[in-house]
Amino acid sequence: DTEVTQTPKHLVMGMTNKKSLKCEQHMGHRAMYWYKQKAKKPPELMFVYSYEKLSINESVPSRFSPECPNSSLLNLHLHALQPEDSALYLCASTRTAGGREPQHFGDGTRLSIL
Amino acid sequence: AQTVTQSQPEMSVQEAETVTLSCTYDTSESDYYLFWYKQPPSRQMILVIRQEAYKQQNATENRFSVNFQKAAKSFSLKISDSQLGDAAMYFCAYRSFTGANSKLTFGKGITLSVRP
Repeated sequence: DTEVTQTPKHLVMGMTNKKSLKCEQHMGHRAMYWYKQKAKKPPELMFVYSYEKLSINESVPSRFSPECPNSSLLNLHLHALQPEDSALYLCASTRTAGGREPQHFGDGTRLSIL
Repeated sequence: AQTVTQSQPEMSVQEAETVTLSCTYDTSESDYYLFWYKQPPSRQMILVIRQEAYKQQNATENRFSVNFQKAAKSFSLKISDSQLGDAAMYFCAYRSFTGANSKLTFGKGITLSVRP
């Protein structure tokens, strides 16, 4: 069982739809991350939140909008996505944003854009 | 900028045998962390083992051990007594010791298959 919970596990959406991905952890971690992963490739960092504030945006297109309403929850709002955005979206967390702790990953959301 | 290189895209091992996965990295920093993550088809990235660069002793976790050669910037993973459940994609990763937002830099990964 993973300590980082992502919902939904699968999502199929059209290019004009608006949807959201959700990530939740109750380990008291104060840093949370969104990654995009294509098949057989390493995860690519998208966003980092530290103490509920956005600290890193890796030049991600504005059709991806992150939100961190509280220290346990991280959302990724999706709008007007393109077919190339189809991928596995992974959420991760650490106690703090820097340092020795490994990132704890969720199971991911498999996103397909029609 | 740091880079992580996993030059072997695929490897295969017989069940109960030992296999070594290679990883090299490039950095100008003296203190950092190195990780091996496993990603089975079930998708979740699972931490296998980690090494702190300032520790000379190689990390060990049950059947998993590393050969950390700091001068050579090499960080290989040895899996002993391979099991069918070890079949997965393995990623080597680097993280800076300092910095409020130190990123995790991944290698390209290696797909390990285990033959029964």
